Amino acid sequence: NAGVTQTPKFQVLKTGQSMTLQCAQDMNHEYMSWYRQDPGMGLRLIHYSVGAGITDQGEVPNGYNVSRSTTEDFPLRLLSAAPSQTSVYFCASSFSGTDGNTIYFGEGSWLTVV
Amino acid sequence: AQKVTQAQTEISVVEKEDVTLDCVYETRDTTYYLFWYKQPPSGELVFLIRRNSFDEQNEISGRYSWNFQKSTSSFNFTITASQVVDSAVYFCALSEAGGNNRLAFGKGNQVVVIP
Repeated sequence: NAGVTQTPKFQVLKTGQSMTLQCAQDMNHEYMSWYRQDPGMGLRLIHYSVGAGITDQGEVPNGYNVSRSTTEDFPLRLLSAAPSQTSVYFCASSFSGTDGNTIYFGEGSWLTVV
Repeated sequence: AQKVTQAQTEISVVEKEDVTLDCVYETRDTTYYLFWYKQPPSGELVFLIRRNSFDEQNEISGRYSWNFQKSTSSFNFTITASQVVDSAVYFCALSEAGGNNRLAFGKGNQVVVIP
């Protein structure tokens, strides 16, 4: 059982380049989301999805794009990378419902924009 | 809007001492869920506990214990007899029922256990 898998783990980008962070889960979870972690800021929600074909913005969505064509995958796209997007990115997934399901996180993707 | 506050940023303790991490939350919902996660130096997020707003019983798991008090909107975490392996960043988080499992995180507590 792989859980939540993120790729790549490390990436260096030049300002203005685009890239996609991949996230896949094999637990048949309806909910998936992306967070970014910056020093002293905790984790902040970028985008989330409640199921295939449905996405919505979180707290810090600017500069990022997402889509959810399958239940398993939830890629995060940086359209034109900026140094302010240097961060650690975490993908998360969980079952639906209102009983506070455990939220599982991937191992993180370290992104540096120079 | 949901909000989580972890006041202390870095806490240093000598091995075998106890350490308590404070977590204060704000929410308008009557049904919500509180979490603690551990982030060791390797960077991954490790789930420690989930507690719903209707269950105010304290919980103990080995050297870890949690004190949930709705009256003060707090969900504090204590590590008893700390060990070097407890050195990590600890995050408190909140999700609201019907909030699509969106988590609001505190800024985290860096715990350093000195041997």
